[in-house]
Amino acid sequence: EAQVTQNPRYLITVTGKKLTVTCSQNMNHEYMSWYRQDPGLGLRQIYYSMNVEVTDKGDVPEGYKVSRKEKRNFPLILESPSPNQTSLYFCASSTWAGGPVSEQYFGPGTRLTVT
Amino acid sequence: AQSVAQPEDQVNVAEGNPLTVKCTYSVSGNPYLFWYVQYPNRGLQFLLKYITGDNLVKGSYGFEAEFNKSQTSFHLKKPSALVSDSALYFCAVRDPNTGGFKTIFGAGTRLFVKA
Repeated sequence: EAQVTQNPRYLITVTGKKLTVTCSQNMNHEYMSWYRQDPGLGLRQIYYSMNVEVTDKGDVPEGYKVSRKEKRNFPLILESPSPNQTSLYFCASSTWAGGPVSEQYFGPGTRLTVT
Repeated sequence: AQSVAQPEDQVNVAEGNPLTVKCTYSVSGNPYLFWYVQYPNRGLQFLLKYITGDNLVKGSYGFEAEFNKSQTSFHLKKPSALVSDSALYFCAVRDPNTGGFKTIFGAGTRLFVKA
């Protein structure tokens, strides 16, 4: 089954404790992206990756890091989480055949609470 | 700045009536427009897209959308609403000024269909 998986689904942590949210896709997609969803703000893009070893900032990259060492994986790293990073996080992927014309496939989401 | 607006936080409609969820965009160049739906505790699912060609596009679950370049709008429509259509709907644009790598989402519109 074609899917995007994220782990963990729920996470409660404390300020400053480094964490990683994993994302994996099994569709051989070139493009992957991370978003955060906050009430009234919709989804905002954190980082995206056009292919292995190629990443770039979205609209809200501060406080986050990413890496793309393998095509299927795109982990999101919070080196020193703060309460304002409490949010619902989504990973997404899409093919890039033909350019930006393809829809994105979303993971189930990770609800992060930073106290 | 590039942006997507969904002017209604919530749309209420009776089952069997037509529904419209509005979306306007402010993007220079030719936009790549998408609609996604989010059911409770789930990730986003793709509904339909406009890339080029016919201004009326048809998508999943009987939804359609009309691209209007002069009004910079991409409203989502369905001729006859179902209770099961109740969900959160997002309009999104892949920004052509970034090669389509960046995606901008609207804040979302909650659709409530009453039986």
